[in-house]
Amino acid sequence: EAQVTQNPRYLITVTGKKLTVTCSQNMNHEYMSWYRQDPGLGLRQIYYSMNVEVTDKGDVPEGYKVSRKEKRNFPLILESPSPNQTSLYFCASSLGSSGDGYTFGSGTRLTVV
Amino acid sequence: DAKTTQPPSMDCAEGRAANLPCNHSTISGNEYVYWYRQIHSQGPQYIIHGLKNNETNEMASLIITEDRKSSTLILPHATLRDTAVYYCIVRFPWWGAQKLVFGQGTRLTINP
Repeated sequence: EAQVTQNPRYLITVTGKKLTVTCSQNMNHEYMSWYRQDPGLGLRQIYYSMNVEVTDKGDVPEGYKVSRKEKRNFPLILESPSPNQTSLYFCASSLGSSGDGYTFGSGTRLTVV
Repeated sequence: DAKTTQPPSMDCAEGRAANLPCNHSTISGNEYVYWYRQIHSQGPQYIIHGLKNNETNEMASLIITEDRKSSTLILPHATLRDTAVYYCIVRFPWWGAQKLVFGQGTRLTINP
């Protein structure tokens, strides 16, 4: 089944403890992206990647890092999480060609205390 | 990317057609109209997209006005599982313009 898989689904952590949220897609998509969703603010893009070793900042990149060493994986790294990064996170992928729809993962609900 | 305006909420009876409007009066000639939906807190789900012709797939129909300043997503026979937030997005489809800008969407409630 074609899908975007995120792990973990739920995570509670403490301020300052480094964490990684994994994202993997099995559709050979070139484009991958991370979004966060917060009440009243909607979905906002954090980082995106147009191919292996090509990444760029989205609208809210502060406090996050990403890497794209393989085409299928696009982990989101929080080096020193803070409570304002408590949010619902989604990874998405697409072929990147004209008119393509996006496939989203099921989400990761992160709480930083 | 052009901005969109959608009603914050709508209700529809189960089995009836749900018609969700979207205004995008500043859309440019090469921007497409995309629709996604989000059921509860699941990941957004792609529904349909179009440029200027009406489009139909297994999920829905998309009607775009001739001047392209507005569109309507039609769910022909709404079920309870169609209860979700629906997002209308306009964007350039080509490589390098890949960001989806989500507005607040329309919260559609299907009533039994």
